Amino acid sequence: GAGVSQTPSNKVTEKGKYVELRCDPISGHTALYWYRQSLGQGPEFLIYFQGTGAADDSGLPNDRFFAVRPEGSVSTLKIQRTERGDSAVYLCASSLGLAGYETQYFGPGTRLLVL
Amino acid sequence: KNEVEQSPQNLTAQEGEFITINCSYSVGISALHWLQQHPGGGIVSLFMLSSGKKKHGRLIATINIQEKHSSLHITASHPRDSAVYICAVFGSSNTGKLIFGQGTTLQVKP
Repeated sequence: GAGVSQTPSNKVTEKGKYVELRCDPISGHTALYWYRQSLGQGPEFLIYFQGTGAADDSGLPNDRFFAVRPEGSVSTLKIQRTERGDSAVYLCASSLGLAGYETQYFGPGTRLLVL
Repeated sequence: KNEVEQSPQNLTAQEGEFITINCSYSVGISALHWLQQHPGGGIVSLFMLSSGKKKHGRLIATINIQEKHSSLHITASHPRDSAVYICAVFGSSNTGKLIFGQGTTLQVKP
């Protein structure tokens, strides 16, 4: 595909359940980013990958959140024991390289609602 | 205090008006992004700049590195410009990690 895709587009789950959110970056993009956007707020950084490795996971709020990118392409954000406060739009972005001057291309987001 | 502050938070304009959205930041940066987000839609990059001024159609972005300030201008505004405009900066550590402002919600009325 031409752009960043994310699945599912919407996810409703119950408190305490486990969820996985998937991101397919633009082909050839080595850098991949996860952000979280709460209603009425700007996005906040969670984690980014350069290739297969997590270059910075300092934005993950706690150890219930984990992300992988095993083959350096698709990434999965995993949330264990979901809480109502995890409800947000989870955005993925990718860029050609990991640098402070590369344009990031955003996916449409996954809207997570924890009941 | 947030590292990236935008003003105003909300803006309503009449079609045809000239619009300015401001962004101030408190960290060293390598570049600054202006992004657009339509309701229920994804985020689109409008500009990335590290100095001076860029123009694309009716949109103009300027940055003053010394003053740590950037502005996004929209000339001859149109209802389809209604969206959330977000300022985001790349920190000078050059890791590609974006720090976002809270966004400015713009509504242009016909």
